[in-house]
Amino acid sequence: GAVVSQHPSRVICKSGTSVKIECRSLDFQATTMFWYRQFPKKSLMLMATSNEGSKATYEQGVEKDKFLINHASLTLSTLTVTSAHPEDSSFYICSATAGVLEGYTFGSGTRLTVV
Amino acid sequence: GEDVEQSLFLSVREGDSSVINCTYTDSSSTYLYWYKQEPGAGLQLLTYIFSNMDMKQDQRLTVLLNKKDKHLSLRIADTQTGDSAIYFCAEIGNTGNQFYFGTGTSLTVIP
Repeated sequence: GAVVSQHPSRVICKSGTSVKIECRSLDFQATTMFWYRQFPKKSLMLMATSNEGSKATYEQGVEKDKFLINHASLTLSTLTVTSAHPEDSSFYICSATAGVLEGYTFGSGTRLTVV
Repeated sequence: GEDVEQSLFLSVREGDSSVINCTYTDSSSTYLYWYKQEPGAGLQLLTYIFSNMDMKQDQRLTVLLNKKDKHLSLRIADTQTGDSAIYFCAEIGNTGNQFYFGTGTSLTVIP
């Protein structure tokens, strides 16, 4: 079946640095990719939706200059957390779809810890 | 990685019960979850079950876990039009840090 690889699975970084998280669809072309952030009580908040070759659509309250999303190809989207702060520490998950009839495939998540 | 499978589509009539099924492969899962995604929204945690439980009921929602068959189901009683959404099952892997999601089941409730 469809596979999405998310890398890295865990990362620890210092405050003020930037971290890049990759989301790759391994065996299908993802026309749309989504980025989520997990909050306490395990709800996942949609941060942004990205379509290949166009700018990401950010949800209300998500800082686009802080969370840079690039969807440069049909198999790769990246999320860069810029100037990270401890409050950015969280679990980030991507998902990808080749179309609504194909379902959604999730990455296994990235645990970001900012110290 | 782990494999979590769901049917893509389900249609039910308003007032009937809906049963959404999920199968998984990781026998060491500790928690299994059901999330709901409404159009344009993020994933809302509906309920979860600990792996040593067989059943959990929460108002209209009933979760059944067959650990032997690695089968998880979500039953929604008296389904309403507001229940129309995509439902994802998910498990947390044995490292405690990784989620594995199903592909989502799109539930359509017919008035």
